Order: sequence, then C-alpha cells, then structure tokens
Amino acid sequence: SAVISQKPSRDICQRGTSLTIQCQVDSQVTMMFWYRQQPGQSLTLIATANQGSEATYESGFVIDKFPISRPNLTFSTLTVSNMSPEDSSIYLCSVDSTGGGGYTFGSGTRLTVV
Amino acid sequence: GENVEQHPSTLSVQEGDSAVIKCTYSDSASNYFPWYKQELGKGPQLIIDIRSNVGEKKDQRIAVTLNKTAKHFSLHITETQPEDSAVYFCAGGLFGNEKLTFGTGTRLTIIP
Repeated sequence: SAVISQKPSRDICQRGTSLTIQCQVDSQVTMMFWYRQQPGQSLTLIATANQGSEATYESGFVIDKFPISRPNLTFSTLTVSNMSPEDSSIYLCSVDSTGGGGYTFGSGTRLTVV
Repeated sequence: GENVEQHPSTLSVQEGDSAVIKCTYSDSASNYFPWYKQELGKGPQLIIDIRSNVGEKKDQRIAVTLNKTAKHFSLHITETQPEDSAVYFCAGGLFGNEKLTFGTGTRLTIIP
C-alpha cells in the first residue's frame, strides 16, 4: 500500500494566522482526500483533491477557509486560513490504496489554535 | 446520505478474551464496509474490510460479519492482546466511490 508523509506533525498557531499542511505520497495517485478529526470525534471529509482541477468540497467546508493545492500526482497541500480555536483538530490526508475505498492515511497534523 | 452508528464508545476486555464492536448503516445502497484502527498519535490504519457480496471475512484473529437485511456489521477480535488497545472506526460507502462515512469510534482497552 502507499506510504504517506505528512508535515508538520503538530503545530500551535495564533488565531487569525494560516497553516499549510503538506502531504507527500510515494506513488502516483489520482485522488487525495483531506479529513478533519476533532478531539475525540470521528473523521469528517473536508475535500477531494484531483490533480489539475479544483478540489471538491463537502458540505460545510469552503475553499476560502481550506484552500487546497494538487500540483502533481504525488503531492497536495491543505491550508487552514484565518484560524480560530474551533479549528483545533487533527487534519489527515489519505489516498485510496486498494482501488476500491480502502484508504491509507497519513499520520496526521495535530493543530492547536490559541 | 449515509449515516453510520457505532457501539459501544468504550470497551474494556481482559487479555485473551474476545471483543465485539457493532455498527449500523442507513443507506441500503452501501456495499463496502472497512474497519480502521487508530493508535495514539497515528493516522487510522485499515485492518479489514468486507463487501456486501459476502457475509463474513476473517484475517487471523480479526473477523467482520455483515447482515445486509438488518444493515449492520460487526468487528470481532479474538484472543485479545495488549497491542489491540486503540480506537477502532467502522465506515460504510460504495465500493469504488471515495466517500466513506465513518462511525464515531470505539476506544478498546485490553486489560493485562
């Protein structure tokens, strides 16, 4: 299965600032996915990122708040913009490693906004 | 859309005993049900999955059962070991479609 490197692993940020999270995959993948996991909660899909096109956002998530880049088939970034304490979460990228929905996840970015 | 409910939210089991986690789903069109294990500080890891054309799947100490009629599926871990302690998530969706809906998680603790 694919190996995902996600950076940073954690960060503490001031409210009003932005953080960009990087996700590098060791193989080419068509789609990359970004999830949010709020403290003690389940995983919620933020958006799906295809190379060469705009990301597709789920209900409740907007591009201005969570801009995504997908410059090639092995790399993507998620930016959390104008952060507030409510954005404190673990952010995870993932790819479909089995061709049918069995996702491989990165180790996550634990974000704390103060 | 799909809604996946998971029970229990916490589970403590004596080492060597079995653990069972149950999930229900709402969308009868869903045909793919993976289970993930998340250890502290790590991302979720796929441990087993099942498609709706089978009722049970086993991989060593782990098994998953699916009842399509009742729209529920379960994870069974036998001969539990301390390293099985983690948070487990079920999920449901359409095979080949990227949109999985995750359950709320079960924190499993194995008591030595």
